[in-house]
Amino acid sequence: EVQLLESGGGLVQPGGSLRLSCAASGFTFSNDVMSWVRQGPGKGLEWVSQISGSGGSTYYADSVKGRFTISRDNSKNTLYLQMNSLRAEDTAVYYCAKVRNTEVSDYWGQGTLVTVSS
Amino acid sequence: DIQMTQSPSTLSASVGDRVTITCRASQSISSWLAWYQQKPGKAPKLLIYEASTLESGVPSRFSGSGSGTEFTLTISSLQPDDFATYYCQQYNSYLYTFGQGTKLEIK
Repeated sequence: EVQLLESGGGLVQPGGSLRLSCAASGFTFSNDVMSWVRQGPGKGLEWVSQISGSGGSTYYADSVKGRFTISRDNSKNTLYLQMNSLRAEDTAVYYCAKVRNTEVSDYWGQGTLVTVSS
Repeated sequence: DIQMTQSPSTLSASVGDRVTITCRASQSISSWLAWYQQKPGKAPKLLIYEASTLESGVPSRFSGSGSGTEFTLTISSLQPDDFATYYCQQYNSYLYTFGQGTKLEIK
């Protein structure tokens, strides 16, 4: 059974940093593209970032480019999102998702809440 | 970036109704479109990919159609479990943008 478990969310001040983790199990992690999707309070889904199975290719939404870094440790079956220079508008539930064939997100974690506020 | 626009934003319907949600892309995305269902406090669930292919385990009352820039999600006979928010997502090119969502409410 595929399981994705996010952690690392919390309250952070504007300008601060946070690193999210997503522990994966139930599939061959290194074979699959992974992504982060977020959802602000009362808002829709926003695709944030995606990384290839090897970690060699990464993609970012314009809203986070230069501030967020996606990475993975295939030896630990873990996906990361390093978030720097956080802004109030980054407040959201952050989901990690397994991506099938570089296309659709077929499995999702339960999400972790990031709140950026002073 | 490709913009995705859904309509309507809110849809009120009754159990047993047939409903259709539309998603339009700002440029052609061929058939690289997915539909997701999300319930409050839960992660999204993949329903349909490649515009019309039903994900395994999804009831056959859900169907998708379209190509190019215009797509539809149809629920043939609404069930109580279907009241949720629906999102389209294009995966033709990065960024993989979502529509703003359609909330399906009980009339």
